[in-house]
Amino acid sequence: DVKVTQSSRYLVKRTGEKVFLECVQDMDHENMFWYRQDPGLGLRLIYFSYDVKMKEKGDIPEGYSVSREKKERFSLILESASTNQTSMYLCASSFAGGIHQPQHFGDGTRLSIL
Amino acid sequence: DQQVKQNSPSLSVQEGRISILNCDYTNSMFDYFLWYKKYPAEGPTFLISISSIKDKNEDGRFTVFLNKSAKHLSLHIVPSQPGDSAVYFCAASVDTGNQFYFGTGTSLTVIP
Repeated sequence: DVKVTQSSRYLVKRTGEKVFLECVQDMDHENMFWYRQDPGLGLRLIYFSYDVKMKEKGDIPEGYSVSREKKERFSLILESASTNQTSMYLCASSFAGGIHQPQHFGDGTRLSIL
Repeated sequence: DQQVKQNSPSLSVQEGRISILNCDYTNSMFDYFLWYKKYPAEGPTFLISISSIKDKNEDGRFTVFLNKSAKHLSLHIVPSQPGDSAVYFCAASVDTGNQFYFGTGTSLTVIP
């Protein structure tokens, strides 16, 4: 069974801090994704990566960056956290073969920026 | 601008009856559609998908219908079970353009 593990379930940070959200998958998936989920807006794609050191912007990349140094790990970075980045963050992974491949999700990190 | 819309935030159905969840989209370039189910405090799990070259795909109790001319898809669950109570998200992608969008979700409650 695919396991996507997000490093924290809950995280509280202060405005202006640099925040790292970590995600690890154990199924040798090529694609990895970061989403945020907000009430009334569903899941919105922030960034995705289809290979090591490769990244593509999603729908809402502003204020975020990502890092993929190893195939199994995909990090989301908030360069200078702001209160409007308080949200649920979800990581996902999938096999190569197109962005439409079914994605396997982690359980999410609820991030609060004070 | 929401490219994938689920206009019903919630739906309640009696156990054993059919649940129909609807999804509308605006981009005619979408070529693949998926449904995910999400329980509280868990990430979404993939349920069923359909390519734009088909109009129906079935997997057990779950069937997805696609009407390209109306830019509409629906998920049918028959018969509905209490364990189906969850939030359901539809998603759409443009494979060559690396675009992927989720809807806002519909919360399904199946009443025993």
